Amino acid sequence: EVQLVQSGAEVKKPGESLKISCKGSGYIFTSNWIGWVRQMPGRGLEWMGIIYPGDSDARYSPSFQGQVTISADKSISTVYLQWSGLKASDSAMYYCARRSTYSYAMDVWGQGTTVTVSP
Amino acid sequence: DIQMTQSPSSLSASVGDRVTITCRASQSISGHLNWYQQKPGKAPKLLIHSASSLQDGVPSRFSGSGSGTDFTLTINSLQPEDFATYFCQQTYSSLLMYTFGQGTKLEIK
Repeated sequence: EVQLVQSGAEVKKPGESLKISCKGSGYIFTSNWIGWVRQMPGRGLEWMGIIYPGDSDARYSPSFQGQVTISADKSISTVYLQWSGLKASDSAMYYCARRSTYSYAMDVWGQGTTVTVSP
Repeated sequence: DIQMTQSPSSLSASVGDRVTITCRASQSISGHLNWYQQKPGKAPKLLIHSASSLQDGVPSRFSGSGSGTDFTLTINSLQPEDFATYFCQQTYSSLLMYTFGQGTKLEIK
């Protein structure tokens, strides 16, 4: 079964750093781009960026460039989303999703990771 | 950036109804338009890719159409499990900036 499994919920304080993960299985991990999507409480889906695990080529939405870092470790079929200084406004649900090689749609999604940033 | 505008933002309908949601791109995106369904507390689920292709396992009452800048998602004979929020997304951008529409919440009348 093709799946993406994300790390668990996080509660952090403003200014702290954080790295969440997304592990793929059931397919050739290095063959598909993996994207990250933010969903703030009660809001829509926001495209953050995408990475190709094969060579760690990462692209960022201008809204998130410089705010987060997307990385990958292909040896363990895992991509990461990290912050070096969290803000309360980073509190949200974060999803990873696989880009289909055929259609470019996001065809497999992780279950989501909730990040809460509170003093 | 390619902007995606969905309408309506919310919609009330009854079981058995036919509903249509529209999505407009700020520039031509050819047929690179996808539709997702999201239920509360769950990850989005791909319904339609490439504007009109039904994802495997998705019921045939869902259909998509359009090309260029204007697209529609149609749900025939609404079922109770279809009440959810629907998002469009373009995957045309050569910069891989795949923007979403703001979503349409489909509620039971």
